[in-house]
Amino acid sequence: EIQMTQSPYSLGASVGDRVIITCRASQDIRNYLAWFQQKPGKAPKSLIYGASSLLTGVPWKFRGSGSGTDFTLTIDSLQPEDFATYYCQQYYAYPLTFGGGTKVDI
Amino acid sequence: QVQLVQSGAEVKRPGASVKVSCKAFGYTFIDRYIHWVRQAPGQGLDWMGRIDPNSGVTEYAEKFQGRVTMTTDTSAKTAYMELSGLTSDDTDFYYCARGYTWPDKDTFDLWGQGTMVTVS
Repeated sequence: EIQMTQSPYSLGASVGDRVIITCRASQDIRNYLAWFQQKPGKAPKSLIYGASSLLTGVPWKFRGSGSGTDFTLTIDSLQPEDFATYYCQQYYAYPLTFGGGTKVDI
Repeated sequence: QVQLVQSGAEVKRPGASVKVSCKAFGYTFIDRYIHWVRQAPGQGLDWMGRIDPNSGVTEYAEKFQGRVTMTTDTSAKTAYMELSGLTSDDTDFYYCARGYTWPDKDTFDLWGQGTMVTVS
């Protein structure tokens, strides 16, 4: 099973900040990496697939990068609606696995 | 409107089974995998498995093998996830999610609203 490790566990930020979340895989997953956003009491929302491709309707402020074992999610100009928990997910091999999440709060 | 709509909350006794449904709207149901993901309240995401509605072929996470059954009714555009032998550890939110397109069919682009299953 491929382990996904996110850091930090949580971070405090202000409106207008740029935040960077990292995700590390326990083995090479090429670019089979996705990112999700989840707000309290809501289902996750898909943001990025293929490590860096935005899904339709996702703002350009979300940027994914990386390949192999190390990946980042960058959120530019943080807005109130961006405060949430973010998860990475590998889909290189079964079982599909998620990182533990990064909570971004004010 | 493209969406996945799940069945309502369930309360089950230990040892019982639960069957959660996920109805697809607004797209060709057989074209995309349906995945099931669960989440304990306040905890992280845990992939359970997926089904290809076109073929019925399933892939289950080893930890759920023998307890989970995923099926589809293509005429009803509905996927089902049945989990047996419930314990209190199965008290979670259960989500269905639509697989994206090849070669990214094992990630997700659309989620159901979630179904809370309480085992008590």
